[in-house]
Amino acid sequence: DGGITQSPKYLFRKEGQNVTLSCEQNLNHDAMYWYRQDPGQGLRLIYYSQIVNDFQKGDIAEGYSVSREKKESFPLTVTSAQKNPTAFYLCASSIDEDGDYSNQPQHFGDGTRLSIL
Amino acid sequence: AQTVTQSQPEMSVQEAETVTLSCTYDTSESDYYLFWYKQPPSRQMILVIRQEAYKQQNATENRFSVNFQKAAKSFSLKISDSQLGDAAMYFCAYRTPESTTDSWGKLQFGAGTQVVVTP
Repeated sequence: DGGITQSPKYLFRKEGQNVTLSCEQNLNHDAMYWYRQDPGQGLRLIYYSQIVNDFQKGDIAEGYSVSREKKESFPLTVTSAQKNPTAFYLCASSIDEDGDYSNQPQHFGDGTRLSIL
Repeated sequence: AQTVTQSQPEMSVQEAETVTLSCTYDTSESDYYLFWYKQPPSRQMILVIRQEAYKQQNATENRFSVNFQKAAKSFSLKISDSQLGDAAMYFCAYRTPESTTDSWGKLQFGAGTQVVVTP
């Protein structure tokens, strides 16, 4: 079955440590996204990528980094510069239909919950 | 900048009854897309329904339908014949076309409405 796989499901970070969240999709989607969800709030965009080897900052990119070396993979690193990393992180992807993602829904993974030790 | 407002933090409905969730948005664009996503306790985001702004006809998906009022910038979701499995957080989302100069087609989410279904 096609889908988006996020791992791990739960992750703990020590102070000063960088951690990487994995996101893999086998939907052959071009675009991939990372969102952060805090309690009682909607999703906020961290980074997005429309093609391999290219990515753009979203609304809250500070303290995060990404890479897009393969179409299927879009890992997110939460760096030590992110002072409040505790949140639920969701990865999503969408297909490029005629070069326009706008009318295409985003498909989401099951998320990773990150907490500080 | 576009904003999406969901003014109801929580809505309660009895099984088999109907509930309507409100969503308003602020935009100066004429062409855009609107979505409703459902997030059950499993935290997975599931697309419920979508609406293209250039279409006057309201979208429907089985028991889910929308009331899209473009002039009022309103996009409410109606859940008919509510079932226990409908209990979840519902998010309204707005998206501009990729061609918009100040946006790449970014999905903007509201804060969500928690739907509680009682037997």
